[in-house]
Order: sequence, then structure tokens, then C-alpha cells
Amino acid sequence: KAGVTQTPRYLIKTRGQQVTLSCSPISGHRSVSWYQQTPGQGLQFLFEYFSETQRNKGNFPGRFSGRQFSNSRSEMNVSTLELGDSALYLCASSLGQTGGSIYGYTFGSGTRLTVV
Amino acid sequence: AQSVTQLGSHVSVSEGALVLLRCNYSSSVPPYLFWYVQYPNQGLQLLLKYTSAATLVKGINGFEAEFKKSETSFHLTKPSAHMSDAAEYFCAVGSDNAGNMLTFGGGTRLMVKP
Repeated sequence: KAGVTQTPRYLIKTRGQQVTLSCSPISGHRSVSWYQQTPGQGLQFLFEYFSETQRNKGNFPGRFSGRQFSNSRSEMNVSTLELGDSALYLCASSLGQTGGSIYGYTFGSGTRLTVV
Repeated sequence: AQSVTQLGSHVSVSEGALVLLRCNYSSSVPPYLFWYVQYPNQGLQLLLKYTSAATLVKGINGFEAEFKKSETSFHLTKPSAHMSDAAEYFCAVGSDNAGNMLTFGGGTRLMVKP
């Protein structure tokens, strides 16, 4: 079956702009989690959606937001981009309400965002 | 609350040598433990997972890990390193009361010398 698909793979944006990243989970997976990965901070949890509801949110400013659609696809949006937002953004899907913490996530290949 | 500590942000081994990557966790409830591998500009791929069935867990690519409750450890090993094992490795912990969240360690970059 198809894996987790993230689009686009690479993105270059200018400070102050906004960006939307997309994630399509594995078919049947209803939970989507987002992580930001940087060399200095490692993997940091952004938020998790299950059945179109945000269930958990990490410690990020309100410029970072997300949503999930009825087909489980998810988007995350970053407004007013800053240089420090340059990172690899990873999406992970899991089965059911607790599948991620019990069985693990399946990750997409990520979106590499560069802010200039 | 859960946390994961990976000792050694960089580990270097010679090809054919033993690989040992260390992971210690903290969890107030029985944990589920995972090792992931990440190649450059890729997402994380699940290597193996401990979900209380057996303390010695075998994963893909010849890796295995042993859950030691008394030491709160879940170290990753491979008897003989290959050049293709060069990557970053992440240990993660989950639990029944963590919602759907995994907590990741800081990662260990494995370098394999010819």
C-alpha cells in the first residue's frame, strides 16, 4: 500500500511569507502528527490530528497551525515566516487513537523548507 | 511524563565492527520503545519496536535491541557494521497514557569507516 506522502518535497520562501504543507497518510490511518526537525533542536512535536480534531499541540507559536480533512489528509500552515523556521517538516501517520504510541508511526519523506 | 536520552550524538565504528547505540528512557508507566533510522533528507524508518512481548527484539537490517527494565535501557546493536548503516538513529518512547504521542531522543549519528 502507498506510504505517507508529503508535498512539496522542497520549498524556498521569503521571510514574512506564509506556507502550506500537505500530508496524505496511509490509507486507513486516521491520526496524523507533525514534527519539525532542525540540527540544533532535533525532532520537535508540532501537533497531532485525529478524525479532524487537534488532540495534542507542541510548544510552538500560533503562527504554526494545521488542520485535517475528512479523508484524513492534513495540512500545516506557517504564517509570517522567520529564518528560524527553516527545517525539515515531517508528517507521520498511525492507526487509531493510540496506534502511534503503541505500534509506532509511519513517516513521510518530509518537506524541506528554506526561509531566505 | 516520558523522556529519552541517547548517549553519544556521534558514534564511529569500523566496517565489520560491533555497533552499539545507547538509549535510556524514563516513563512512569510501562513503555513501548522504538528505534528509527533516518538517511539524509529522508523521513524516519522504523527499525524495530518493543511492545512487551519479548525483551530481545529483532529488527530489519540485522539490528536488534534488548529491553532492560532494571536499567531503563533499550540499546541498539548490530554484530557487524556495513557502510550502508551510516545514518542517524533515533530512540523513542510511547505508552498507553501518552495519547498518540512518541517522545524522541536527540539522535545518534553513526559513521562507518572503511
